[in-house]
Amino acid sequence: GAVVSQHPSRVICKSGTSVKIECRSLDFQATTMFWYRQFPKQSLMLMATSNEGSKATYEQGVEKDKFLINHASLTLSTLTVTSAHPEDSSFYICSGGDGGTYEQYFGPGTRLTVT
Amino acid sequence: RKEVEQDPGPFNVPEGATVAFNCTYSNSASQSFFWYRQDCRKEPKLLMSVYSSGNEDGRFTAQLNRASQYISLLIRDSKLSDSATYLCVVREDSSYKLIFGSGTRLLVRP
Repeated sequence: GAVVSQHPSRVICKSGTSVKIECRSLDFQATTMFWYRQFPKQSLMLMATSNEGSKATYEQGVEKDKFLINHASLTLSTLTVTSAHPEDSSFYICSGGDGGTYEQYFGPGTRLTVT
Repeated sequence: RKEVEQDPGPFNVPEGATVAFNCTYSNSASQSFFWYRQDCRKEPKLLMSVYSSGNEDGRFTAQLNRASQYISLLIRDSKLSDSATYLCVVREDSSYKLIFGSGTRLLVRP
């Protein structure tokens, strides 16, 4: 199956700093990429959808100025959490779609802890 | 009301047991249905799609009841390696957007 990587796998940062998470599709071109957030014992919640070269579409309640998404190429999308706070601590997972079927291929996730 | 609802469990069963999970969804226009498996601190992985006629993959059987907006997953002959959280997932239309349930945790004991 298609492979998606994320970097870093785990990050700890101080409150007020910004953190960038990278999502790469390794063996396919991801025309669409998705960013999810999962709090402990809760479901994955879609944060935003991005198409290569376009602005991301954010889900209701997700602050676009706080969660900056860039999808500049067909193999790379980045999520930057700006001015992170402890309540942003979560498991962030990206996925990519290749534009063929509607299947999404998930990355391994990034665990963010804000102290 | 949540769009996709699941019993959080945990279901604690012995090896070899048969266990069933249920899920309900609120949007009657939902098009596609899936079961994903998520191990602790890992990404979700597609276990199987769910079709109206019901479908089976080895020890796993999935069923869909559109009239009742109900999805089920049956696991026979449980293995220790089946211990995980099982996510019920719905896609509402011809798009990529997936709606995840919060998952049902399964613990299979020796």
